[in-house]
Amino acid sequence: AQSVTQPDARVTVSEGASLQLRCKYSYSATPYLFWYVQYPRQGLQMLLKYYSGDPVVQGVNGFEAEFSKSDSSFHLRKASVHWSDSAVYFCASGSWQLIFGSGTQLTVMP
Amino acid sequence: EAAVTQSPRNKVTVTGGNVTLSCRQTNSHNYMYWYRQDTGHGLRLIHYSYGAGNLQIGDVPDGYKATRTTQEDFFLLLELASPSQTSLYFCASSEEWGAFAETLYFGSGTRLTVL
Repeated sequence: AQSVTQPDARVTVSEGASLQLRCKYSYSATPYLFWYVQYPRQGLQMLLKYYSGDPVVQGVNGFEAEFSKSDSSFHLRKASVHWSDSAVYFCASGSWQLIFGSGTQLTVMP
Repeated sequence: EAAVTQSPRNKVTVTGGNVTLSCRQTNSHNYMYWYRQDTGHGLRLIHYSYGAGNLQIGDVPDGYKATRTTQEDFFLLLELASPSQTSLYFCASSEEWGAFAETLYFGSGTRLTVL
């Protein structure tokens, strides 16, 4: 069965620091891969999507993610975080139905 | 921009109670979904639909019914609510199915508490 693992339930970084949120998927072929963000009291919004091509995909607000087939990973990165990036980040994967990971709560300290 | 509106925002009921959660999308998307979000589990698919009158079972359907009355409206029904159904519920819509969609558009959620 497909699965998505986000090993870090909570991540805290200082404003201006770089960020990496980890995501690993379990599927034999290359699935569609997504990162979604959930700001407080809001629904989820898509940050970026990958299916094929350049393994580094750019998203909104300076976020990017890198696909690694050998590692079955799709980690999210940002060079310099802002306090407004504090939110819950979900990785999602699938070749038919989307499977969501358990989410990573990001807190950016001023 | 696609809009998905859920109501109510918060709901408290008692065990055995009858609850209806409402969702309306304004972009005539084909697909609508109901998810529940629980700590440690992420989002889990309860039911989905690809048009008025259609209903498909998701991964965690037990204890839930759903009905898609129009292209815009999708309802989630808990006829005998139990404390295990205390959760944050999200509705979403998309033009294409699941992984093939450019994006899923989510509502702001309904927090349901079953006492």
